[in-house]
Amino acid sequence: DTAVSQTPKYLVTQMGNDKSIKCEQNLGHDTMYWYKQDSKKFLKIMFSYNNKELIINETVPNRFSPKSPDKAHLNLHINSLELGDSAVYFCASSLTTGTGNTIYFGEGSWLTVV
Amino acid sequence: DQQVKQNSPSLSVQEGRISILNCDYTNSMFDYFLWYKKYPAEGPTFLISISSIKDKNEDGRFTVFLNKSAKHLSLHIVPSQPGDSAVYFCAASANTGGFKTIFGAGTRLFVKA
Repeated sequence: DTAVSQTPKYLVTQMGNDKSIKCEQNLGHDTMYWYKQDSKKFLKIMFSYNNKELIINETVPNRFSPKSPDKAHLNLHINSLELGDSAVYFCASSLTTGTGNTIYFGEGSWLTVV
Repeated sequence: DQQVKQNSPSLSVQEGRISILNCDYTNSMFDYFLWYKKYPAEGPTFLISISSIKDKNEDGRFTVFLNKSAKHLSLHIVPSQPGDSAVYFCAASANTGGFKTIFGAGTRLFVKA
């Protein structure tokens, strides 16, 4: 019974396309995140939502638009995909915001832009 | 600007011996530290954590040590097992700057049988 699930796991698409990655958590957590793991392997936070409200928005191109229809879902839509968007995108959740919270990750979505 | 640094990209250890993974941080506001373990094609999974008010936390074969004055923490795995072979991420969080948890680049541990 997957706690944080994201789809698709693998996605290959052409430059200029628009794509979405969906994420759902069944942990009853209030906070959800999108992290990006780039070619240098760093896990960098992109967005964080708490009870459907955006609380963290790092310097991410506005081609990336998160949407949280409810606190159990946080989807990531990417417009006009570029080669540099190729990365692994991890959805995650935690009970609440604030330090001391353990973050639970999904399995990742491998995006390749060709 | 890497606030959490794992300077060893990889580490190789013999089965049964101790594995020591190191992590340094620069932001003195960090007050909670975590270690995550990641297998290929999977997401990171939580391993162990420590609050800044402690200097040691132990959970079975895993112990995390925190040296606040040196802004350094380490994860000790003893005895190491082949199943411990994975990438280990150090992470730190603070109640400032939007409650972000910052991750290091990871250290790949190889435990040889």
